[in-house]
Amino acid sequence: QVHLVQSGAEVKQPGASVKVSCKASGYTFTTYGISWVRQAPGQGLEWMGWISAKKGDTNYAQNFQGRLTMTTETATNTAYLELRSLTSDDTAMYYCGRVVCGGNCWTDSWGQGTRVTVTS
Amino acid sequence: SYELIQAPSVSVSPGQTASLTCSADKLGSVYVSWYQQKPGQSPVLVIFQDNKRPSGIPERFSGSNSGNTATLMITGTQAIDEGDYYCQAWDSSTVVFGGGTKLTVL
Repeated sequence: QVHLVQSGAEVKQPGASVKVSCKASGYTFTTYGISWVRQAPGQGLEWMGWISAKKGDTNYAQNFQGRLTMTTETATNTAYLELRSLTSDDTAMYYCGRVVCGGNCWTDSWGQGTRVTVTS
Repeated sequence: SYELIQAPSVSVSPGQTASLTCSADKLGSVYVSWYQQKPGQSPVLVIFQDNKRPSGIPERFSGSNSGNTATLMITGTQAIDEGDYYCQAWDSSTVVFGGGTKLTVL
């Protein structure tokens, strides 16, 4: 059974960085990718990017280019998202998901979410 | 890149068919996925590659995609189907979500 467990809630000051983890279990980590999506309070889903767990190749949404880094650690089956230069607009729930590709790609399992609050 | 347009809300009576649409220019040329999200919960995949259901998703959920519109249909809608539904297009390097539709079962 696929299980993605994310790190706990974070409170950060403007200008700081945040690093969220996503530990996978129940499948072969390097066979799939990991996507990251966020959801601001009362808003819809916003795709941030994804990373191939095997090769480490990344694809980031244009909105985050330059301040977003996604990595994976295959020894511990863990993916990480680091977002820098935080502003209040980054206050959101952040979700990781397992990416399946077959012709195109989709996310078939999700973590429980990590709440990130940016406040002075 | 695509901008996926969804109606903000749809209402349906229990037992009736709900039709949720997602529109963009030439959307039928890419695959569309659909996600259900209930308040305070993570999204759940209900349809991928336009019309495929993951294991565990009831048969009352079906999808189609042609021309400029993808459609998620829920036949025999139940109260437990209430929630927000998001379409997503994933085309090589471009990934985008629609704004979401709030489904209310009255």
